[in-house]
Amino acid sequence: GQQLNQSPQSMFIQEGEDVSMNCTSSSIFNTWLWYKQDPGEGPVLLIALYKAGELTSNGRLTAQFGITRKDSFLNISASIPSDVGIYFCAGGGGSNYKLTFGKGTLLTVNP
Amino acid sequence: SAVISQKPSRDICQRGTSLTIQCQVDSQVTMMFWYRQQPGQSLTLIATANQGSEATYESGFVIDKFPISRPNLTFSTLTVSNMSPEDSSIYLCSVEGQGWTEAFFGQGTRLTVV
Repeated sequence: GQQLNQSPQSMFIQEGEDVSMNCTSSSIFNTWLWYKQDPGEGPVLLIALYKAGELTSNGRLTAQFGITRKDSFLNISASIPSDVGIYFCAGGGGSNYKLTFGKGTLLTVNP
Repeated sequence: SAVISQKPSRDICQRGTSLTIQCQVDSQVTMMFWYRQQPGQSLTLIATANQGSEATYESGFVIDKFPISRPNLTFSTLTVSNMSPEDSSIYLCSVEGQGWTEAFFGQGTRLTVV
């Protein structure tokens, strides 16, 4: 089955620093999605990417859909304490409408 | 995006019992999905639930263990049957979004089996 490799597994950064995380796959996806999950909550959609090469921003977040359709990255600029959480990438858009999730990146921001 | 409400938000259950989780959406949706998130892990799709048909289960998940109902376009239930401690997880309801290329999640049900 399809698998996503998400890295890094965890990050410890200082407030104000920029963060980058990425996902790669051996399979092509038509959609890349990035989610954030806070403790005790369900994942919340941050950014959705629909076209190869697409670069999309949402406030301090920027994500790109890789040109090969097999990868995506998420950048967070000027991190703040509320950025703490687990970030998941997900690939989808196939005929079965299912999503494949990465294993997540745990982000800790030290004030 | 749809507003998705799950009940209960958490529960502690005895092994051998069953728990039914409810998922209510504020708008009609064609597909609803049920995921399991084991402690410290990613999300694994259990099944896809469409109204008027049996749910489609992913490899490793069976109807006897995780029966699903989908009586209408805004509601679904997932039952975790004959629970064991290995079933302790967060169970998440999800619905499709724009162009069926996005997914939105409820807040999850945190299940602990003792």
